[in-house]
Amino acid sequence: KNEVEQSPQNLTAQEGEFITINCSYSVGISALHWLQQHPGGGIVSLFMLSSGKKKHGRLIATINIQEKHSSLHITASHPRDSAVYICAVEEGGGADGLTFGKGTHLIIQP
Amino acid sequence: DAGITQSPRHKVTETGTPVTLRCHQTENHRYMYWYRQDPGHGLRLIHYSYGVKDTDKGEVSDGYSVSRSKTEDFLLTLESATSSQTSVYFCAISHTQETQYFGPGTRLLVL
Repeated sequence: KNEVEQSPQNLTAQEGEFITINCSYSVGISALHWLQQHPGGGIVSLFMLSSGKKKHGRLIATINIQEKHSSLHITASHPRDSAVYICAVEEGGGADGLTFGKGTHLIIQP
Repeated sequence: DAGITQSPRHKVTETGTPVTLRCHQTENHRYMYWYRQDPGHGLRLIHYSYGVKDTDKGEVSDGYSVSRSKTEDFLLTLESATSSQTSVYFCAISHTQETQYFGPGTRLLVL
């Protein structure tokens, strides 16, 4: 069973700061997902990556397969980025579901 | 947004009663999943389906059963609800081994 650990569990920062959330896993994977869950509860997929780096707007996700580690970065953070960010991994192609970290609760203060 | 709905969105029931949650998609995606989300545990896989009548167990399947008789519907049944099944239940879909799209969730309270 893959163990997915996220750090930090909670993060409070000021608007404009550069944010980094980390994710590590214990067993080799086929892909890693970053998800966002807003206070209303809805879950949105941000990235799926199996190597290298992806960028979407102010969000950047990187993965190091050899080190079993991924990071999610937010540049120029804004209060609307306040949410829970969840790392999840898939094994063997992903058809049999995801294994999730417990999430990082991010608060961006104006 | 992917066309995925869950019903009911909220439900309160009593211990020992049967409960069925429905996930409906309009995307014709092959894969469907049921997860539960609990404080301190995060999201965990209950059951999943890789096609009509093809289902398999996830990490926390005890006390749950599923059925998929049509591509668009994936039902999760609690045969005899217990208080430990109080949770938020999310359905998700994916086309092939790609991004998963999540439904809005169902809040279930078992008294």
